[in-house]
Amino acid sequence: GAVVSQHPSRVICKSGTSVKIECRSLDFQATTMFWYRQFPKQSLMLMATSNEGSKATYEQGVEKDKFLINHASLTLSTLTVTSAHPEDSSFYICSARVGVLPLSEQYFGPGTRLTVT
Amino acid sequence: DAKTTQPPSMDCAEGRAANLPCNHSTISGNEYVYWYRQIHSQGPQYIIHGLKNNETNEMASLIITEDRKSSTLILPHATLRDTAVYYCIVRVAPWSSYKLIFGSGTRLLVRP
Repeated sequence: GAVVSQHPSRVICKSGTSVKIECRSLDFQATTMFWYRQFPKQSLMLMATSNEGSKATYEQGVEKDKFLINHASLTLSTLTVTSAHPEDSSFYICSARVGVLPLSEQYFGPGTRLTVT
Repeated sequence: DAKTTQPPSMDCAEGRAANLPCNHSTISGNEYVYWYRQIHSQGPQYIIHGLKNNETNEMASLIITEDRKSSTLILPHATLRDTAVYYCIVRVAPWSSYKLIFGSGTRLLVRP
């Protein structure tokens, strides 16, 4: 089946620094990727939708200058958390869409746990 | 998109069927019902989806009522590894704006 990977799986960074998270579709090309954030004991919250070669579309309330998304190829999207603060500590999950709607499916990566100290 | 209502938690015995309900009374004719699950500290996993007819795959069965206002996900022989949060999502899937919005889900605990 379709596999989505994320790197790193865990990252600890100091407040004020930036951290980049990679999301890759390993055995398929994904024209659309999605980034979610999940706080403890809460559901996933969609942050942005990323189309290859285009600017990402951010959900309301998500700061685009803080969460930089780059989708430079059909197999790679990156999320950069700039000037991270402790409140940015969360579980970040990417997802990639494969197939032709409505039969397409959306596959999720294993997540990246970010801790900002 | 139609909102969904799921019980916050359920439990069942290992080896028994787990029946997870979902209400989506405002669903419209072109909206699909999707089910995903999330095991602790992992990304969500696709389970099944359907429009009108009941569906079955190697993981589960999806029963959609005739009026499509509710559905039930059935795990026929639950195992301990099925302990997870299960999300029912209804979604129109137009090409240009397909995205999954997650609700609070049902936390299923499978007891030994």
